[in-house]
Amino acid sequence: DAGVTQSPTHLIKTRGQQVTLRCSPKSGHDTVSWYQQALGQGPQFIFQYYEEEERQRGNFPDRFSGHQFPNYSSELNVNALLLGDSALYLCASSGSGGVRNTIYFGEGSWLTVV
Amino acid sequence: QKEVEQNSGPLSVPEGAIASLNCTYSDRGSQSFFWYRQYSGKSPELIMSIYSNGDKEDGRFTAQLNKASQYVSLLIRDSQPSDSATYLCAVRSGGFKTIFGAGTRLFVKA
Repeated sequence: DAGVTQSPTHLIKTRGQQVTLRCSPKSGHDTVSWYQQALGQGPQFIFQYYEEEERQRGNFPDRFSGHQFPNYSSELNVNALLLGDSALYLCASSGSGGVRNTIYFGEGSWLTVV
Repeated sequence: QKEVEQNSGPLSVPEGAIASLNCTYSDRGSQSFFWYRQYSGKSPELIMSIYSNGDKEDGRFTAQLNKASQYVSLLIRDSQPSDSATYLCAVRSGGFKTIFGAGTRLFVKA
């Protein structure tokens, strides 16, 4: 049973560039959430996708955008990268029903902006 | 006030002792509560979920929930050096997002 998979695992970008991160949810899951985790902090909610629509968004600027595909996989795009965007980006998947749904994380994508 | 608050630690306990990790949350409507463990350089992994007041035990781990006090805790019995990690408390209210605390670093001394 494949878990949540993310790519790439590590990447280095220059300020002002754009980055795309990819995620495939756990088998049987149809909901994908993205989190940003800075060093020494807890994961911060960016947004959640369900049925190919952004269902809820955290306190992140419009430079952060996403997409969900019919096979439930998802992409996170960040434009005009800032040094402060350097972080671990985590994808989490869950089922669609109920508040008791548990989210499961992928291994994450480490982004360094220089 | 932060939505989910945890003591950042580090919490240091000797091997074999009980480690007690605490978390408070601000939204009284919160319905689901989770504990995740995160090793350095790795992603968070789920330890336990709890939804009702009281205790829930799973092996060496016990989660405790008190909704009246807006308080969640995690007890780790017979702590092992391999338990040394950051423990993240997470809460979901009526919406779709799961909110995380900043985590408590636990260090178990051999």
